[in-house]
Amino acid sequence: GAVVSQHPSRVICKSGTSVKIECRSLDFQATTMFWYRQFPKQSLMLMATSNEGSKATYEQGVEKDKFLINHASLTLSTLTVTSAHPEDSSFYICSALTSEGTDTQYFGPGTRLTVL
Amino acid sequence: DAKTTQPPSMDCAEGRAANLPCNHSTISGNEYVYWYRQIHSQGPQYIIHGLKNNETNEMASLIITEDRKSSTLILPHATLRDTAVYYCIPYSGNTPLVFGKGTRLSVIA
Repeated sequence: GAVVSQHPSRVICKSGTSVKIECRSLDFQATTMFWYRQFPKQSLMLMATSNEGSKATYEQGVEKDKFLINHASLTLSTLTVTSAHPEDSSFYICSALTSEGTDTQYFGPGTRLTVL
Repeated sequence: DAKTTQPPSMDCAEGRAANLPCNHSTISGNEYVYWYRQIHSQGPQYIIHGLKNNETNEMASLIITEDRKSSTLILPHATLRDTAVYYCIPYSGNTPLVFGKGTRLSVIA
């Protein structure tokens, strides 16, 4: 089956620093990847849509200058949380869209970010 | 977007079949019904999807009513590792998945 990885799986950083999260599709090419975040006891909320070679599309309320997304290749998208603050602490999850057969999204294992 | 209604929680005895219902009465003709689950502190896992015919794979079976307004996910022999939140999502492809609140399934020994 299609496998998506994320790195790191968990990160703790100090307030004001930046953190980069990588999302890779390991055995398929993904022209589109999505970034979600999930707060405790809540469902996944879409942050942005990332298309290879073009600018990401952000959901309303998500600051594009704070959450930098780069999708430079068909297998890698990165999310950088700039000047992180404690309220950015969350579970960040990416998904990759495969067009092999019907369009199905496969999710990474998630990255737990804790900002002190 | 099509809306879904799922029971917030369900219990199932280990080894028994778990039947998870979903109402999606406003589903569009080109939307598939996708099911995902999320085990605690993990990313969502794809389970199965279908358009109008019943589907079965190694994980589960999906029963879709003829009018496509509802479906049931069946885990034939639930184990403790099936404890998770299950999401039913109408989806036509190329757009983000929109997650509702899902059903929290607890498999009890």
